[in-house]
Amino acid sequence: DGGITQSPKYLFRKEGQNVTLSCEQNLNHDAMYWYRQDPGQGLRLIYYSQIVNDFQKGDIAEGYSVSREKKESFPLTVTSAQKNPTAFYLCASSNPSGFSNQPQHFGDGTRLSIL
Amino acid sequence: GQNIDQPTEMTATEGAIVQINCTYQTSGFNGLFWYQQHAGEAPTFLSYNVLDGLEEKGRFSSFLSRSKGYSYLLLKELQMKDSASYLCAVRDPGGFKTIFGAGTRLFVKA
Repeated sequence: DGGITQSPKYLFRKEGQNVTLSCEQNLNHDAMYWYRQDPGQGLRLIYYSQIVNDFQKGDIAEGYSVSREKKESFPLTVTSAQKNPTAFYLCASSNPSGFSNQPQHFGDGTRLSIL
Repeated sequence: GQNIDQPTEMTATEGAIVQINCTYQTSGFNGLFWYQQHAGEAPTFLSYNVLDGLEEKGRFSSFLSRSKGYSYLLLKELQMKDSASYLCAVRDPGGFKTIFGAGTRLFVKA
């Protein structure tokens, strides 16, 4: 079945450490997204990519980095510069292709905590 | 600025009908989505509106008024499994970015 796979489900980060969250999709979608979700808040956009080898900052990109070397993969690195990384991270993909009614499909999320 | 407002929490009884409202002020509009999210899980797509009016899909209906910047999600014949957060989201005119509201937590009681 087609879908989005995020790993790991739970991740712990030590002070000063960079960690990378994996996101893979086999839906053949062009666009991919990373969101952060904190309790009582909506999804906030970190980075998005419209196509391979291109990505754009979202609303809260500071302390994060991404790459899009393959259509299927959009890993997110949480760097030591992100001082409050504890959150639920969601990866999503969609295929706008001019049809705006296409929803985003989400992975099951990665919960990141600080040790 | 960009803003989407939804009630924080609602409680309803099993078998009843509940309406979750959403108002938005965004710099552009290219469709409004409703997603359901159970605690600790991924959001799943429920409905999409781009033109004014009501869209019905089984027990779920969604309404849009673009002139008022207003939408609602109507859930009929509530079931216990409908206890979840419901996210209202507006897509921007470029079609790539979506702004999400904070979500409404719905509690369905027996």
